[in-house]
Amino acid sequence: SAVISQKPSRDICQRGTSLTIQCQVDSQVTMMFWYRQQPGQSLTLIATANQGSEATYESGFVIDKFPISRPNLTFSTLTVSNMSPEDSSIYLCSGGTTEAFFGQGTRLTVV
Amino acid sequence: ELKVEQNPLFLSMQEGKNYTIYCNYSTTSDRLYWYRQDPGKSLESLFVLLSNGAVKQEGRLMASLDTKARLSTLHITAAVHDLSATYFCAVDDNAGNQFYFGTGTSLTVIP
Repeated sequence: SAVISQKPSRDICQRGTSLTIQCQVDSQVTMMFWYRQQPGQSLTLIATANQGSEATYESGFVIDKFPISRPNLTFSTLTVSNMSPEDSSIYLCSGGTTEAFFGQGTRLTVV
Repeated sequence: ELKVEQNPLFLSMQEGKNYTIYCNYSTTSDRLYWYRQDPGKSLESLFVLLSNGAVKQEGRLMASLDTKARLSTLHITAAVHDLSATYFCAVDDNAGNQFYFGTGTSLTVIP
C-alpha cells in the first residue's frame, strides 16, 4: 500500500488568486491522478499527472486553469489558478501502482 | 468515455438486513475497485478485483466481479450502523492510464 500526504487540508481563498495543492507519496508510484469532488457527488477526474511530461487532462479541464507538476515518482502538485467561487470544492490526489490510494483531500472555498 | 453507474444511489436499511449494491461499467476492463468514504473524509480502499470471477470478502462486505457482464456487486450481510458511508466503485482502462468512479451509493444503516 501507499500513504499519501496532501496539503493543505483546507483553505479559504480570495477570487482571482491561485492555490497550489501538494501530494507526497511514501513510495514510488506509477500512477498519480487529481480529482475534484463536489459535496454529495462522485469524483471527477481532472487529469493524470505524468512523471517527466505534461499532464493528461480530461474534457473540460485545461492546463492554464489547473497546471500540474510531477517532478518525480513520489510527488505532484495541482494549482487552481485565477480562482472563482465555482472552484470551491474538494480536491483529491491519488496514486498507486496496482491500485489507487488517496490523500486526505483539500477543501477549497473561494470567496 | 468509460461510464460507471451504481445503483441504488441512496440506500437506507435496517441493522441485520442484507443488501447488494451494483456497479455497471461501459467498456472492457478487468480491474475494478471498491472504496468507502465517510462524511468529510477521503476514500478508503476496500477491495481490488483484478480478474473475471474474483470474489473478496472482508467482514460483512463481499465484492465480486463479472467482467463479461461488466458488473460488480458489493454485498452487505447483516448490516450494522458502522457501515453507514458512501461506497464508490471505480474502473480503470486496464493500462492504468485512466481511472473512473461510479456515481456512489450513500448507505445509511438504521438501528
